[in-house]
Amino acid sequence: RKEVEQDPGPFNVPEGATVAFNCTYSNSASQSFFWYRQDCRKEPKLLMSVYSSGNEDGRFTAQLNRASQYISLLIRDSKLSDSATYLCVVNADSSYKLIFGSGTRLLVRP
Amino acid sequence: DTGVSQDPRHKITKRGQNVTFRCDPISEHNRLYWYRQTLGQGPEFLTYFQNEAQLEKSRLLSDRFSAERPKGSFSTLEIQRTEQGDSAMYLCAGETAISGNTIYFGEGSWLTVV
Repeated sequence: RKEVEQDPGPFNVPEGATVAFNCTYSNSASQSFFWYRQDCRKEPKLLMSVYSSGNEDGRFTAQLNRASQYISLLIRDSKLSDSATYLCVVNADSSYKLIFGSGTRLLVRP
Repeated sequence: DTGVSQDPRHKITKRGQNVTFRCDPISEHNRLYWYRQTLGQGPEFLTYFQNEAQLEKSRLLSDRFSAERPKGSFSTLEIQRTEQGDSAMYLCAGETAISGNTIYFGEGSWLTVV
């Protein structure tokens, strides 16, 4: 079983739609959680950290469910510029090492 | 700008040759990471340094791979006797002591082994 699992997609949605991605992780001792965004052939860039209480940044909302070991990302009012791959990231137990999922691809169409 | 520079950005090499990648983080990056990414996959952890100490290495880092961070500043990743399976993007990332385990990537070094 992979340490971090994501649906690869692609999710193909119209502009203005709301879309949600989930990610599951295997290590119950993980303490740090993030979503990164990656454009084609570019480096991953931090989108947002994920806190136990959940957090929101504009159109983006991230939630953490420790009991079920999953993380979610909700994007409201999708823009064409949101088209990218979204990477779920979890630290490996007590290590600083971050484990990346394979990513979920989002395509926003006009 | 994440403050992490990588060089070269692209490298094409023949199988069996050695290649070296360099990463220059900002001075505040006490932790430095190397990842490898192939098409359709997320970045895979290779190794990380805290200052000049290499604290963890992945099983992916075979004996053909070696990384250094002399003086806790820049870092190098060397691949000896390259194989076609080494073709990937090699990503360096920095982390500050106060960034809460958040890492910031450089633009990556693309390696093609022919």
